[in-house]
Amino acid sequence: GQNIDQPTEMTATEGAIVQINCTYQTSGFNGLFWYQQHAGEAPTFLSYNVLDGLEEKGRFSSFLSRSKGYSYLLLKELQMKDSASYLCAASDSNYQLIWGAGTKLIIKP
Amino acid sequence: IAGITQAPTSQILAAGRRMTLRCTQDMRHNAMYWYRQDLGLGLRLIHYSNTAGTTGKGEVPDGYSVSRANTDDFPLTLASAVPSQTSVYFCASSASGTYNEQFFGPGTRLTVL
Repeated sequence: GQNIDQPTEMTATEGAIVQINCTYQTSGFNGLFWYQQHAGEAPTFLSYNVLDGLEEKGRFSSFLSRSKGYSYLLLKELQMKDSASYLCAASDSNYQLIWGAGTKLIIKP
Repeated sequence: IAGITQAPTSQILAAGRRMTLRCTQDMRHNAMYWYRQDLGLGLRLIHYSNTAGTTGKGEVPDGYSVSRANTDDFPLTLASAVPSQTSVYFCASSASGTYNEQFFGPGTRLTVL
């Protein structure tokens, strides 16, 4: 079957660094997406990885290891506005996105 | 219109009633999607359309139908609503059905009593 696993909730301190992990099992693989979703709002795109390695985009970076079925999202210099859920989604052989349940990130001052 | 819109924002519906959720995008995207999001679960794909005139079933299509008469509109119909269809529904679009990121509408919160 197809499955995405990510932690349900994480807590971090303002100004710190946090890493949100995601493991996936899909029939075929066409890339890994990360989305941010604030409470009561729609998901918004953060990053896409299809090759192994680290992609950096400002304070956010995303890493992929295809051989391990593993990705992480790294958030640096955390700000209160980063409090949100972070959704991991893998694209399968039909280019359909399989979504994780999301990781709720709580930022404390 | 800028981006992707959904209507209504929220709705309370009696079980057994028919309901159509509307979705319109102005980005000329080929692919469109309907998801439902329930607490503790990931987004689940209901139906999708890779281009106008074609539709496909997702992970949870039962009780729902869609049509794609043109590029911009992708309505979702519940023929006879049941309480288990209480959820937040998101419409999304992407330039194509492959590598492109998906853009989401603001969502419709539906309660079926």
